[in-house]
Amino acid sequence: GESVGLHLPTLSVQEGDNSIINCAYSNSASDYFIWYKQESGKGPQFIIDIRSNMDKRQGQRVTVLLNKTVKHLSLQIAATQPGDSAVYFCAENPLTGGGNKLTFGTGTQLKVEL
Amino acid sequence: EPEVTQTPSHQVTQMGQEVILRCVPISNHLYFYWYRQILGQKVEFLVSFYNNEISEKSEIFDDQFSVERPDGSNFTLKIRSTKLEDSAMYFCASMSGPQETQYFGPGTRLLVL
Repeated sequence: GESVGLHLPTLSVQEGDNSIINCAYSNSASDYFIWYKQESGKGPQFIIDIRSNMDKRQGQRVTVLLNKTVKHLSLQIAATQPGDSAVYFCAENPLTGGGNKLTFGTGTQLKVEL
Repeated sequence: EPEVTQTPSHQVTQMGQEVILRCVPISNHLYFYWYRQILGQKVEFLVSFYNNEISEKSEIFDDQFSVERPDGSNFTLKIRSTKLEDSAMYFCASMSGPQETQYFGPGTRLLVL
């Protein structure tokens, strides 16, 4: 697909297992973080977000954890399903700049094995 | 559910030609963006647009690029004289308010020959 590259880190999990995808961000001024899912040939799809005044946020089958001390973000997917197979990007939105631009991470390819 | 739409889905052009990529953002959104993704790489910010003007642009967004909101619904990206390295997926995104969620369109795959 469009966003799969030979150098993308890959996480392979069995269907039904939990997945944990990690992301390190660079800008300590960022205060809003988003996880996007990108399937082959499609645009990034919003999964879950978190603001810097929180360290954990839960959605349906997904949880995002934020550790500002080490500038680390993780996405946990419970009971991973074949439809979860995609590339997952974290994105950060710093306060500075005024344009609310998103800075994306490299991405992790999640492969769900039956 | 409202969504961002983009046309065309694919565009093939010759080097030096002008292209216009079109986007229809979500109707009540006020902030508009263009990003691009070169094959196998991460998504990169190009430009943000609010209140009928550019609010921020990246180094990629040089004089060959321009954006316009010609009417109340469309948001366009023009590349005046395309180069081979402009080949990428171009994504439009829109947002309702500052630091809200940006919703992305399906992208336009641009191939410059």
